[in-house]
Amino acid sequence: TQLLEQSPQFLSIQEGENLTVYCNSSSVFSSLQWYRQEPGEGPVLLVTVVTGGEVKKLKRLTFQFGDARKDSSLHITAAQPGDTGLYLCAGAVVGYGNKLVFGAGTILRVKS
Amino acid sequence: GAVVSQHPSWVICKSGTSVKIECRSLDFQATTMFWYRQFPKQSLMLMATSNEGSKATYEQGVEKDKFLINHASLTLSTLTVTSAHPEDSSFYICSARGGIPHSGANVLTFGAGSRLTVL
Repeated sequence: TQLLEQSPQFLSIQEGENLTVYCNSSSVFSSLQWYRQEPGEGPVLLVTVVTGGEVKKLKRLTFQFGDARKDSSLHITAAQPGDTGLYLCAGAVVGYGNKLVFGAGTILRVKS
Repeated sequence: GAVVSQHPSWVICKSGTSVKIECRSLDFQATTMFWYRQFPKQSLMLMATSNEGSKATYEQGVEKDKFLINHASLTLSTLTVTSAHPEDSSFYICSARGGIPHSGANVLTFGAGSRLTVL
């Protein structure tokens, strides 16, 4: 059983559409990060959220951390082909040391 | 910004040989580095935690003698795949904790990855 459930696993949309990716857990996280990875490269950090209920915006990307710090979402507005990639959420579980737990990832494909 | 350099980017080797992958933090010190394995279109699987000056901590199911990790300095960790076989072919990624100011202790900076192909 995955400690951090990420959904959907795959998303193929048209340019201009909106989308949301979810990460859920029964565990509480001290912090949660979202990364984006392109083929053949390492993940690149997009954002870190640490406070329950926190909302962060990065241009067309909106990140939300649940009030109970057990879940998070990434919303992309007006997706563009350049948003195509693998999106990963990763959380530091309270009481699990400083080890990061990764979600299974969401492959996003934005078609022009 | 913080950079983690991973070398080589890709390597092809014959079955039975050993391959060493280096992970360097270029502008910050990393007492802890992590090694991951990633299969196509899948998430990262943590293999081991590399601790400077001490033995690595391996995840369950990862063979210590197969994947040798050395973290001899604050800026370098190496992963050696010993007696490699085709099933070891994969994308190996390292990461280092820290290097991003004010980001918190749990944020990682990743290397670009190393693609290993064992013939």
